[in-house]
Amino acid sequence: EPEVTQTPSHQVTQMGQEVILRCVPISNHLYFYWYRQILGQKVEFLVSFYNNEISEKSEIFDDQFSVERPDGSNFTLKIRSTKLEDSAMYFCASSEEGGGRSDTQYFGPGTRLTVL
Amino acid sequence: AQSVTQLDSHVSVSEGTPVLLRCNYSSSYSPSLFWYVQHPNKGLQLLLKYTSAATLVKGINGFEAEFKKSETSFHLTKPSAHMSDAAEYFCVVSHYNAGNMLTFGGGTRLMVKP
Repeated sequence: EPEVTQTPSHQVTQMGQEVILRCVPISNHLYFYWYRQILGQKVEFLVSFYNNEISEKSEIFDDQFSVERPDGSNFTLKIRSTKLEDSAMYFCASSEEGGGRSDTQYFGPGTRLTVL
Repeated sequence: AQSVTQLDSHVSVSEGTPVLLRCNYSSSYSPSLFWYVQHPNKGLQLLLKYTSAATLVKGINGFEAEFKKSETSFHLTKPSAHMSDAAEYFCVVSHYNAGNMLTFGGGTRLMVKP
């Protein structure tokens, strides 16, 4: 069964460094998402992406964050200058329809980001 | 605005007994609702979804959920718990008219005792 994959599974970085989290969505999906979960808190929406554009973003997704689909398979989340509070589990998801009542998002296993 | 409340952060049951994980939602329009499960070191796996068809929805591994509009609830049930059901369960509502973003409940950790 097709699945969303994410690399790395765990990333440790120093505060102020740039990180890139990578995701490979399901191959026929056209809509892509990033979510994060800070330890002990709810899973939060960051951004949705379709046709090489951001469709929707949350207040969390400020100028330090960016997303890109650099080729036909990868979807990346970049944090330009990491802060301690960026430490979290980051989940990538993809869906076929990008909306509509029957659409379903499929999630990857997550990347745990630790900022020291 | 939409929100989801999972009424129990932890639920403990014995193997072979019924499971009930409670979820209430708030939505300004008729929602799509989901239950996802997360096993340790695994991604979020879809258990089942409600999208305005039948109000009783059957999912994988014997789970089902009933959409009750009058109670704004979408509780997850299973008649008989198995050890492999031990995991974190998330109730989720979809904003399908806002970039399809999902709003998650706080999660319920299900523990199954032998």
